Amino acid sequence: GENVEQHPSTLSVQEGDSAVIKCTYSDSASNYFPWYKQELGKRPQLIIDIRSNVGEKKDQRIAVTLNKTAKHFSLHITETQPEDSAVYFCAAGNQAGTALIFGKGTTLSVSS
Amino acid sequence: DTAVSQTPKYLVTQMGNDKSIKCEQNLGHDTMYWYKQDSKKFLKIMFSYNNKELIINETVPNRFSPKSPDKAHLNLHINSLELGDSAVYFCASSSGMNTEAFFGQGTRLTVV
Repeated sequence: GENVEQHPSTLSVQEGDSAVIKCTYSDSASNYFPWYKQELGKRPQLIIDIRSNVGEKKDQRIAVTLNKTAKHFSLHITETQPEDSAVYFCAAGNQAGTALIFGKGTTLSVSS
Repeated sequence: DTAVSQTPKYLVTQMGNDKSIKCEQNLGHDTMYWYKQDSKKFLKIMFSYNNKELIINETVPNRFSPKSPDKAHLNLHINSLELGDSAVYFCASSSGMNTEAFFGQGTRLTVV
């Protein structure tokens, strides 16, 4: 089955810096790669996603890149703000009947 | 208007008891899930239901059983609760396997 590895597990940055979180996946059939943000005590919520026919997608301060050959994808957050502090999860999904498989999460701390 | 709602939000119970968590979605989605989030924040898929049919059953103990009375509901029954069952359980739904999953607010289960 699919296995998703996520790094780093924790990331501390200063306000205004950029943050990068990286994930790799094992199943070449995976074609959907969402990123979720989970604030303390809250539910995971989608912040951006990318499909395998696209190499990069951007939404304001966040962007995701996908390298299908290498089976890795990354989340980039620019101009970080304290409210970006949360746990971020990458995930992989495909049409073959499996649910989204999540990475183990990255705790991002943005200090002002 | 809450899209995915689960009850209760908190559940404290003794070892050996049987408990249920209810989940309802009003998004018209065909697929619903149960995820377990342990103390290390890892989101692990437990079950998926598509149009009332179980399509994934990860290697969870058979003390856990999902029950779906209709497409909008997926309840989780747990028998003979153990200390290791303590976690946050999230219900989610999606329009398909490789599309955005919408999460409920979570149920924090504590077994004492």
